[in-house]
Parts: sequence; structure tokens; C-alpha cells
Amino acid sequence: KQEVTQIPAALSVPEGENLVLNCSFTDSAIYNLQWFRQDPGKGLTSLLLIQSSQREQTSGRLNASLDKSSGRSTLYIAASQPGDSATYLCAHRSNTGKLIFGQGTTLQVKP
Amino acid sequence: DAMVIQNPRYQVTQFGKPVTLSCSQTLNHNVMYWYQQKSSQAPKLLFHYYDKDFNNEADTPDNFQSRRPNTSFCFLDIRSPGLGDAAMYLCATSRGLAGGSSEQYFGPGTRLTVT
Repeated sequence: KQEVTQIPAALSVPEGENLVLNCSFTDSAIYNLQWFRQDPGKGLTSLLLIQSSQREQTSGRLNASLDKSSGRSTLYIAASQPGDSATYLCAHRSNTGKLIFGQGTTLQVKP
Repeated sequence: DAMVIQNPRYQVTQFGKPVTLSCSQTLNHNVMYWYQQKSSQAPKLLFHYYDKDFNNEADTPDNFQSRRPNTSFCFLDIRSPGLGDAAMYLCATSRGLAGGSSEQYFGPGTRLTVT
């Protein structure tokens, strides 16, 4: 069974800290990995997409890495801000085209 | 702005009363998806369309149906909603199913309440 695990489930940090969110997956034959942000009661916003042939992607203060051999991806957030508070979900695309999601990490950045 | 639109944002229906959720897109994407997300859980794919080609997930209940009359619109029909169907329903699109074209763009979701 393909599974995606995100650790920790919840994280609270003071403003300005750099932080790392972790995502691990059991399917070594992933096609790509996507990180999303979800605000309470809202839909998903795509943050970064890493193809299976890539090692990392960067967008502003966000950097996502992918290590297929170890089945891991990390999302690095630099200089966190209260506006970064949200749930962050990782998902990988299986060979059937289906996105397999983790349960998410709920981040709170305190002013 | 090109986007994925879902209507309504909040829907209340009675137990057993059919309900339809709507999704439209201005991205001209080939693929449209419907996900169900229950509280504090990961989104779960129900089905997707590649153009007019319908692909149902094996564990999607028969109570859930979908229609895609044209490229822009896709509907989720719940024939007899039960209390367990209360959830956020997310629509997503992608250009294709391979490589970078498989990046999915999500709508804001419709929160369904069943009374």
C-alpha cells in the first residue's frame, strides 16, 4: 500500500525561525512530489512541484528537496512569518496519475 | 485571472436528498478531479476525467457520480447523502497526467453539511 507520512503533525514556532517540514513515502516509483498549503476551511494552494528527476525546487522563502532513494522530501521555510501559519500537505503522483497525500503538518508561527 | 471555481462554497442538504456540487475552470485543462476531505484527514481522490474519459477510483461509493458536459465544467452528484458524506469537496485540474503537466490546481472547495 502506498503511504505518505508527514512529521510532525503540528508545529509551533516563534516568528523569524527557519524550519523544516518532513514528508516520507513508501513508493519509490513516484513521478513527482508536490507541496501544498491549506488555510482553515479553504482549498489547496500549490507551493512547489518537484519532478522525479529533480533534487529541489525553490520559490521565494520556500525550498523543497526530494530524495527518491530514501523516500523523503523536505520543505524548508526561511524566516517564518505569522502569515505562514497553515497546514502544509505533501503529495506524490503515483504511476496511475493519482495524488497520494500525507495527513499534513499544521504550522503556527507566533508573532 | 485563470482559476478553478467551485459553487457553492457552503452547501447544506438533508439526509437522503440528492445534491450537486459544481466546478468550473478557466485554465482550459484536460483533466479535472474530485476529492473528498474529511476533518483533519488527507484529501481522498473520488474520480477524475481526462477530457471525456471518466476514471473512477475503486473504493469510491456508487452514491457518488460525476458529469463533465464540456471542458470547463465538472459536476459531483451525491445521489443519497448520508451523515458520513459531510466533508469538504475539492475540485482540481491539470493540463495532463505526465511530468510537469500533471501539476494540480485546486479550487477553494465546497463544504457539505448533511442534516
